[in-house]
Amino acid sequence: RKEVEQDPGPFNVPEGATVAFNCTYSNSASQSFFWYRQDCRKEPKLLMSVYSSGNEDGRFTAQLNRASQYISLLIRDSKLSDSATYLCVVVPGDYKLSFGAGTTVTVRA
Amino acid sequence: NAGVTQTPKFQVLKTGQSMTLQCAQDMNHNSMYWYRQDPGMGLRLIYYSASEGTTDKGEVPNGYNVSRLNKREFSLRLESAAPSQTSVYFCASSPRKNTEAFFGQGTRLTVV
Repeated sequence: RKEVEQDPGPFNVPEGATVAFNCTYSNSASQSFFWYRQDCRKEPKLLMSVYSSGNEDGRFTAQLNRASQYISLLIRDSKLSDSATYLCVVVPGDYKLSFGAGTTVTVRA
Repeated sequence: NAGVTQTPKFQVLKTGQSMTLQCAQDMNHNSMYWYRQDPGMGLRLIYYSASEGTTDKGEVPNGYNVSRLNKREFSLRLESAAPSQTSVYFCASSPRKNTEAFFGQGTRLTVV
């Protein structure tokens, strides 16, 4: 079983829509969680950290469910510029970040 | 405001050739990483260096070697390139364990 699994999508949504997707992780001892964004042929960039209480950054909301071992990302009022691949990242408590394969989101006009 | 700098950005090698990918960070981070990214597989950790003077294998270390030259620099060497090493290579750094990592722009390597 992979350490981090994501629905690859693609999620194809109109501008203004809400889109949400999850990521599951296998190591129950994992301590840190992040969402990264990757544009085509570019490096991954940190979108937001994910805290146990859930957190929001503008139109983006991240949630952590430790009992079921998943994290989620919700994007409200989608913009064309939100089109990207979103990478789920889990840190099991050491130095190694484990990446999911990514969820592709395409926002259409 | 350089962050993490990788060189070269593109490289084509013939099977059996060797090369070194260079990576430097100016954020005074302790930990550095080398990942490779292949279609549909996500980023896979090749080697990492938790702190200056230490290196450890990641998920896919075979065919690679690394050197943590100093706190700023972490190089990745392919001694005898193989077509299976065709990939995009990313270097990253993080301030300490359990924290986010910051990535360089990547090196697109093709082995023919």
